[in-house]
Parts: sequence; C-alpha cells; structure tokens
Amino acid sequence: GQQVMQIPQYQHVQEGEDFTTYCNSSTTLSNIQWYKQRPGGHPVFLIQLVKSGEVKKQKRLTFQFGEAKKNSSLHITATQTTDVGTYFCVNNNDMRFGAGTRLTVKP
Amino acid sequence: SAVISQKPSRDICQRGTSLTIQCQVDSQVTMMFWYRQQPGQSLTLIATANQGSEATYESGFVIDKFPISRPNLTFSTLTVSNMSPEDSSIYLCSALRQGGSMQYFGPGTRLTVT
Repeated sequence: GQQVMQIPQYQHVQEGEDFTTYCNSSTTLSNIQWYKQRPGGHPVFLIQLVKSGEVKKQKRLTFQFGEAKKNSSLHITATQTTDVGTYFCVNNNDMRFGAGTRLTVKP
Repeated sequence: SAVISQKPSRDICQRGTSLTIQCQVDSQVTMMFWYRQQPGQSLTLIATANQGSEATYESGFVIDKFPISRPNLTFSTLTVSNMSPEDSSIYLCSALRQGGSMQYFGPGTRLTVT
C-alpha cells in the first residue's frame, strides 16, 4: 500500500481563523478516515469518507473526499483552542496513517 | 464504543532486555493492531494481531523482534525483544469491532530504552 501524503506538517493559527489540512494519494482510495490526536493522547476517530465527492460536516469541521477518490481535506472554521492537536488521515485499505498536521491555536 | 487498556503505561528498560506490553479490550473485537509512534511523528503499523494464528507483520518488522500473541478476541500482547535505544517509542494497540471500520486506540505504552 501507498502512504497518503499529508500537508502541511504544521499550522499555527490565531483563534478564530480557519484551518485546512490536505491528504493526497497516488492511487485511488476505497475510503479514507480522519483521526485527531490531542497532545499526550491517543488517536480518536473523527469520520470516514467513502463516496466520490462526498462532503460531511461535524459542527465547525468539514470533510471532503475528492471526485477521483485520491485526495481529501479537513477544514475547520473559526478555530478554537480546543481544536489543538494533530490531525491524521488514514488509508483504511491498509491502516497506514498520513504524516499528520499539527495544529496549534493562539488564544 | 470499545474501551482499551494497556499495561504498562510506561517503562524504562535496559538495552538487551525484553518488554511485553498487554492490550485488553472490554468487548470482543475482530481485528487488533499494534502501532509505534516516535515523539512528534505519525503512527507506523507494526502488525495485525490475528486470533489463533501468527500475526501479519508490515515491511520492516519481524516476528523475532516483535513477537505478538492473541489468544482470544479481547487480548493481545506485543513483546519488544533485545531492546536498543532505537526502540524507544510509544507503542499503541488498536481494535476494530465486527462490521466496523473505526479503530479504537489504547492509551499507549511509553518505552524508554537506556
């Protein structure tokens, strides 16, 4: 399996600003998952995307799966300090984690 | 949901020794996995723990170094053998419930090898 590539590696934002992390794969994914890991914690499942072009929302979080099922994004609107952590995309075919994007939020 | 516990939560070990990490799930699960996470890095899959048969290892990981047991549907162990400082890491187990795709993770075991 191919590891999904994830960017950016780090993102520092002011509270209230938006945040986006992107995942890209060279091969078509059957589905993709997103996890959040708080500092000192373990990964916690956020969502799974399965369908081409799928968009799902969880409050201020919006998840998208590309039409070709080779890329995905997670967008957070108006970040809060509780959003701090590392966000990982995961190729559910082989359980491989992306490199993760570490988000820090300045109050 | 599934609640997963790991023992020990942390340990400091001398090089050349071995440590066995236990992972206990509060309900029956179909698949269990072992990951390694270096500080500030992503998770790397070590192996899939198969109930009643040998674990399936990822490239770069071998049974002699990381023997895994899974005697039943709720329990697995990972042994880190003949440890060196390069094995210092956080080791996490995870589980999938039948019919599910969401991984539940244990709290991790922080291993330091001196």
